[in-house]
Amino acid sequence: DAGVIQSPRHEVTEMGQEVTLRCKPISGHDYLFWYRQTMMRGLELLIYFNNNVPIDDSGMPEDRFSAKMPNASFSTLKIQPSEPRDSAVYFCASSLVGWGRTDGQPQHFGDGTRLSIL
Amino acid sequence: RKEVEQDPGPFNVPEGATVAFNCTYSNSASQSFFWYRQDCRKEPKLLMSVYSSGNEDGRFTAQLNRASQYISLLIRDSKLSDSATYLCVGQGNFNKFYFGSGTKLNVKP
Repeated sequence: DAGVIQSPRHEVTEMGQEVTLRCKPISGHDYLFWYRQTMMRGLELLIYFNNNVPIDDSGMPEDRFSAKMPNASFSTLKIQPSEPRDSAVYFCASSLVGWGRTDGQPQHFGDGTRLSIL
Repeated sequence: RKEVEQDPGPFNVPEGATVAFNCTYSNSASQSFFWYRQDCRKEPKLLMSVYSSGNEDGRFTAQLNRASQYISLLIRDSKLSDSATYLCVGQGNFNKFYFGSGTKLNVKP
């Protein structure tokens, strides 16, 4: 079975440009998560969706960041305009519904997008 | 205070050693628990789920103590390939996952 698929794998762009990161979750998974990871701040949850609806976007750093999930098999994370401090690895993950159960359902991560803003 | 807290390490151990990691969690992150492994410049990968009765997978044993709100991971007979960062994860309401900052393990020959 295909795992979580992210594109692009690497992105290098200049400050001020729009950046779009893409994610295809595992088929059948109800939840999709966007994370950002840096050496300084570790793994940070940006936003997550349930059945294509945003549940918690409290981790989105500012209005320059936006995320959409137009259907169950696709999500985007956009940064406009991009800044050098946005440089990080961005991970997408998906899971089945697990809360309220005793066995839990783990997240599965994509390979990540390594973003460098010059 | 973070919902899930871990000792960042690093833990430097020789091959063959037994090493244990602990993490503590808050009420927000208290439904289900997992250990993930992350290699440098790679994505986190599920190592094992943590069940209330404790569970074992080969050289790895995970335990959960709900009364004291901590989770542990024991690695026996460490291999060089076990060198990585180990992330403790708690799952809370509405399927929100809380990741610890990770514990770095270096296994040396």
